[in-house]
Order: sequence, then structure tokens, then C-alpha cells
Amino acid sequence: AQKVTQAQTEISVVEKEDVTLDCVYETRDTTYYLFWYKQPPSGELVFLIRRNSFDEQNEISGRYSWNFQKSTSSFNFTITASQVVDSAVYFCALSKYGNNRLAFGKGNQVVVIP
Amino acid sequence: DGGITQSPKYLFRKEGQNVTLSCEQNLNHDAMYWYRQDPGQGLRLIYYSQIVNDFQKGDIAEGYSVSREKKESFPLTVTSAQKNPTAFYLCASSPPGQDTYEQYFGPGTRLTVT
Repeated sequence: AQKVTQAQTEISVVEKEDVTLDCVYETRDTTYYLFWYKQPPSGELVFLIRRNSFDEQNEISGRYSWNFQKSTSSFNFTITASQVVDSAVYFCALSKYGNNRLAFGKGNQVVVIP
Repeated sequence: DGGITQSPKYLFRKEGQNVTLSCEQNLNHDAMYWYRQDPGQGLRLIYYSQIVNDFQKGDIAEGYSVSREKKESFPLTVTSAQKNPTAFYLCASSPPGQDTYEQYFGPGTRLTVT
């Protein structure tokens, strides 16, 4: 079975601080995909990143960066210099190769205080 | 603009009534999905469809039904058999192909049953 754990339920930071969201996953598959989604107050999920299990390179996109460590089954997400617009729920998700069924974590509520 | 539409955004029903949630996409995606989200929880898969006239149960299909008569449309019926139907319902779609791709989400429908 596939499982995603996002331990921190709500995280509050002051604007311009960095925030890191932890994602730990469990899977027996050797080939799998990891995703991060953002859910702003409007409710619609916005895709942020897709990473396959063979690509352990860290990725940076603007103020967002991701650290994938297969050895610890983690795919952590960092927002640098947070802004109020970053306030949202962030979900980590896992899927096996060739199967689009996503297993979601419970999400991290990020509150950025101006 | 291409995207996924869900209507209505808010829906109220009396207990014992069936209700159908609409989901339409113009992204030319083959696969479509229905998720349920409860407060403080991640998304749980209700049903998914990889191709027209075919669909499979997800993790929490009891009390729900779907149809996939057209590529663009994947309506979800919440039946009176669903014990706790009040929730936020999200529809998603993903591109065709053998690989595992990200899913694109609609704005959601918030269903309240009293």
C-alpha cells in the first residue's frame, strides 16, 4: 500500500521567513512519482511539481525548492522569503508508475502573517 | 481557455435525495477523477475513468455512482445511500499516455446535506 505522511498540520510564519514542509512516503514500488499541490482558499488544487523516483536532483523554481531523498523516503518542500499569497494548504501525493491513482497526505496549512 | 469546470460551486440538499455534481473538461484528457475532501483531511479517491464508457471504483466508492458517456464529461451522483455526503468534491483530469502525469483540478463543489 502507498502512504504519504505530512506531520505538521498548521504552520504559521511571519512574512519573509522561510518555511519547510515535510513529506514522508511509503511504497513497495521501485518506480513511482511524487507530487506537490497547493490549495489556496478558493479551493482549487494547483499543481506545483512532479518528480519520478529515479530523479533525485533537487529542484528550484523561483522561491520554491524541493529536496528529494530516496534514502529517507522524503520529498520536502521549502518556500523561501514567504509572502502572504503563499498562505494555503499544501499537499504531497504519491503514485506508482503507469497508474494515475494518487495517494495524498493530509496537507500542511501554511499561514503567512504580514 | 482550457480547463475543468464544476457546477455549481455550492449545493444544498435534503437528506434522502440523490444529487448529481457536474464535471466538464476541454483539455482533451482521457482520464478523469472524483475526489472527496473533508476538513483537515487529504483527498480521497471516489471513482476514476481512464477512457470513455469505462470507470473504476476508488477507495470510497460506496454511496456514489458515475457515468462516462463523453470524453469531456464525468458526472458524479451522490446517492441517499452515502452516510455522510456533506463534503467538498473535486474533479480532476490527466493527459493520455503510458506514463504517470499530474492531474489538473476543477474549482470544486461544496455539498451540504441537511
